[in-house]
Amino acid sequence: DGGITQSPKYLFRKEGQNVTLSCEQNLNHDAMYWYRQDPGQGLRLIYYSQIVNDFQKGDIAEGYSVSREKKESFPLTVTSAQKNPTAFYLCASSTRETQYFGPGTRLLVL
Amino acid sequence: GNSVTQMEGPVTLSEEAFLTINCTYTATGYPSLFWYVQYPGEGLQLLLKATKADDKGSNKGFEATYRKETTSFHLEKGSVQVSDSAVYFCVLYNFNKFYFGSGTKLNVKP
Repeated sequence: DGGITQSPKYLFRKEGQNVTLSCEQNLNHDAMYWYRQDPGQGLRLIYYSQIVNDFQKGDIAEGYSVSREKKESFPLTVTSAQKNPTAFYLCASSTRETQYFGPGTRLLVL
Repeated sequence: GNSVTQMEGPVTLSEEAFLTINCTYTATGYPSLFWYVQYPGEGLQLLLKATKADDKGSNKGFEATYRKETTSFHLEKGSVQVSDSAVYFCVLYNFNKFYFGSGTKLNVKP
């Protein structure tokens, strides 16, 4: 089955710790995205990548970093510089004009 | 610029009622329009799409018509079910970017 997987489903971060959220797709899509969703809110773009080895900042990139070494993978690191990381994180990939989303990772701070 | 405006929720309906969720947009050129649905604790799922003016997208009893003259893409369903309770997002795609509405929460009561 083709699709997008995100892991883990839940992630706990301690103060000062960096954590990495995984996103993998087997849809052969060139473009991939990371969004943050706060309770009762819409989606805000963190980073996106249109092609391997290239990525751009979205609207709220501060405190986050990404890499795109493989077409299938687009991991997101939430660094200690992100002071309010508690949120639901969604990864997506897209064909030319249609996005497909993963199931999300909920990040909580201990 | 490009933007999407959705009606604010929550929208509360009784089972078998008629649903309309309004979505209007501003855009240059020829955008594509989408509706996504998000169930609690999950990622977004593509519900329907329309890629040019006067196109009608439909899926699972939901419909939306791309109206360029009124810059609208309202979501409708003739008879909602309790299982339709979710958050609905109107999305615009234009010039390689996606623009999200803020989401409308639908509650359907038995």
